[in-house]
Amino acid sequence: QKEVEQDPGPLSVPEGAIVSLNCTYSNSAFQYFMWYRQYSRKGPELLMYTYSSGNKEDGRFTAQVDKSSKYISLFIRDSQPSDSATYLCAMMGPSGGYQKVTFGTGTKLQVIP
Amino acid sequence: DAGITQSPRHKVTETGTPVTLRCHQTENHRYMYWYRQDPGHGLRLIHYSYGVKDTDKGEVSDGYSVSRSKTEDFLLTLESATSSQTSVYFCAINTGTSGRFSGANVLTFGAGSRLTVL
Repeated sequence: QKEVEQDPGPLSVPEGAIVSLNCTYSNSAFQYFMWYRQYSRKGPELLMYTYSSGNKEDGRFTAQVDKSSKYISLFIRDSQPSDSATYLCAMMGPSGGYQKVTFGTGTKLQVIP
Repeated sequence: DAGITQSPRHKVTETGTPVTLRCHQTENHRYMYWYRQDPGHGLRLIHYSYGVKDTDKGEVSDGYSVSRSKTEDFLLTLESATSSQTSVYFCAINTGTSGRFSGANVLTFGAGSRLTVL
């Protein structure tokens, strides 16, 4: 079993829909939870990060962490064709010293105009 | 922006030749990483560095070496390239000390170097 599981998709939604992307994990030591967006043939771009549990909102994006369930989510409201990309979740232990970052394999999202 | 530059961006080489990829940063961050990204495998850590001349292996380090003689530069070398090393290579830095994600333990990636070994 992988430390981080992420449905590869692809996920196709109509423009304006609410998108829910999810990851589950098994390592209870993870403290930092990140979402990256990667366009085709580009490097991953950090969208949001959350420290420990709770929600974080940034414009149309909301990140949620439920440590009790070892489950994280990224919600995209009013999705746009420009949101079409692969979304990677990533997780890391406490800061200080080297900490391995564990990535999900990514979910490919397509927003249809 | 974190100021990460990777070079070359694209390279085609033949089996058995040495290849060096360069990662350059402008912000003096301590931690730097090399990943490779392949379909079905996601991002896998090759090597990382926690300071000048301080490096360590990641999960897929066989066939790769690294060097960091200056804070700003982290080099990845394939001593004798093989076809299995055809991949996209990403450099990343931990940007937890400044900028938009200041205070967080997070990675910022370069644009990638696409390597094809024939």
